[in-house]
Amino acid sequence: AQSVTQLGSHVSVSEGALVLLRCNYSSSVPPYLFWYVQYPNQGLQLLLKYTSAATLVKGINGFEAEFKKSETSFHLTKPSAHMSDAAEYFCAVSYTGTASKLTFGTGTRLQVTL
Amino acid sequence: DAGITQSPRHKVTETGTPVTLRCHQTENHRYMYWYRQDPGHGLRLIHYSYGVKDTDKGEVSDGYSVSRSKTEDFLLTLESATSSQTSVYFCAISESRGANYGYTFGSGTRLTVV
Repeated sequence: AQSVTQLGSHVSVSEGALVLLRCNYSSSVPPYLFWYVQYPNQGLQLLLKYTSAATLVKGINGFEAEFKKSETSFHLTKPSAHMSDAAEYFCAVSYTGTASKLTFGTGTRLQVTL
Repeated sequence: DAGITQSPRHKVTETGTPVTLRCHQTENHRYMYWYRQDPGHGLRLIHYSYGVKDTDKGEVSDGYSVSRSKTEDFLLTLESATSSQTSVYFCAISESRGANYGYTFGSGTRLTVV
C-alpha cells in the first residue's frame, strides 16, 4: 500500500536551533505531498504542499520542505525554532485518481525548549 | 476553521448507543471526508463523499455509516458505539478532485464511549 513514514514520534530542539522532521513516502507513481500542523485541541492546518511545480517548497511560519525523488523523501525544516512551533506535525500523501484522498503519517510531536 | 464546522465538539456516550456527528461547510466544496485520530496511528480515513448521495468507504469504515443529502452536510453515524470508537473525529473538505489540492479541516469532535 502506498504510504508515508515519519521517523521519530517525538523531536525536541532548543529555541533557535534547526528543526528537521523526516517524512518518506513509498509509491511507484508521482505523489503529491503535504505537511500539516496541529496545535493542541485544534484541527490540522496546511503548512505547505508539493505538487510537482518546484522541488523546494516554502510554507507558512518559515517552514520549508524539499522533495527528493531519489531518496523518496519530503523532510520539513526550519532554520530557527521558536517556542510557538511546538505542535504535532503530519506528513500526508495523495495521488492522481484517488478522489483527493490523503494518507497520513503517524505524526511527529515537536517540543521546543529554552 | 472558517467555512467548516463540526458538532458537537465533545460527546460522552454509552456503549451500544447510536451516535451521529455532523459536519457542515459553507464553501460549496464537492469532496468531504471523515477521519479519526488516535495516538500512534495519525489520521485514518473512515468514509468520504464526492457529491450528494455519493459516498465511499475508507480504510476503517467498519461500524460507521455516512450520509450526504445536501452539499453542505456530511453526517457520520456510529451505529452501535463501542469503546474502540473513542477517538477524535475530524471532518475535512476539498475544493476539487485534483489530488494536489489538500484539505481544510474542522476543529474536531472528541468522542468518549463509556
